[in-house]
Amino acid sequence: QVQLQESGPGLVKPSGTLSLTCAVSGGSISSSYWWSWVRQPPGKGLEWIGEIYHSGSTNYNPSLKSRVTISVDKSKNQFSLKLSSVTAADTAVYYCARIPYSWGQGTLVTVSS
Amino acid sequence: DIQMTQSPSSLSASVGDRVTIACRASQGISDYLAWYQQKPGKVPKLLIYAASTLQSGVPSRFSGSGSGTDFTLTISSLQPEDVATYYCQKYNSAPATFGPGTKVDIK
Repeated sequence: QVQLQESGPGLVKPSGTLSLTCAVSGGSISSSYWWSWVRQPPGKGLEWIGEIYHSGSTNYNPSLKSRVTISVDKSKNQFSLKLSSVTAADTAVYYCARIPYSWGQGTLVTVSS
Repeated sequence: DIQMTQSPSSLSASVGDRVTIACRASQGISDYLAWYQQKPGKVPKLLIYAASTLQSGVPSRFSGSGSGTDFTLTISSLQPEDVATYYCQKYNSAPATFGPGTKVDIK
């Protein structure tokens, strides 16, 4: 059973860049799956951010595409999210996932000065 | 992009009631549809994938049906522990859009 664990700063300043990493265990990130990021603002619904394949191919949510970069590090069996020019609206719990089967525990990122 | 809608947005039912939640895709997605249950402060829990396949460990009172554009999640006999928000999600292709959610509580 694949397990995922998010890590990264819990507080980011406005206009800064949010950076998170998802460590994959119990399976190889080079297997034939897409690896995703999802977020959930407090009290709101789930929003798919984007996904990456081990080859480096990516797909992004059109609403975030200009600010999002997802990358993969096969040597460390992990993938990462960068979201630039953040505002308070980007405050959310961020999840990494292998849609729909496996999800990380989520990490709260607050955008505040 | 394909849009996902859910109805109702919320419902209140009695213990033992049969509860049905609908999810509609704006274009056909075959059976690439998942249902999740989310309780406050918790990770979304996969209930159903491939529109009708029950995830291991999920009680059999949960069932899913549908294909193409119209899907349904049914709870055959609502239990107090089923109080949660339920989301559908398409995953046939990017973007893997979620429905807006249906909040279920006990009357």
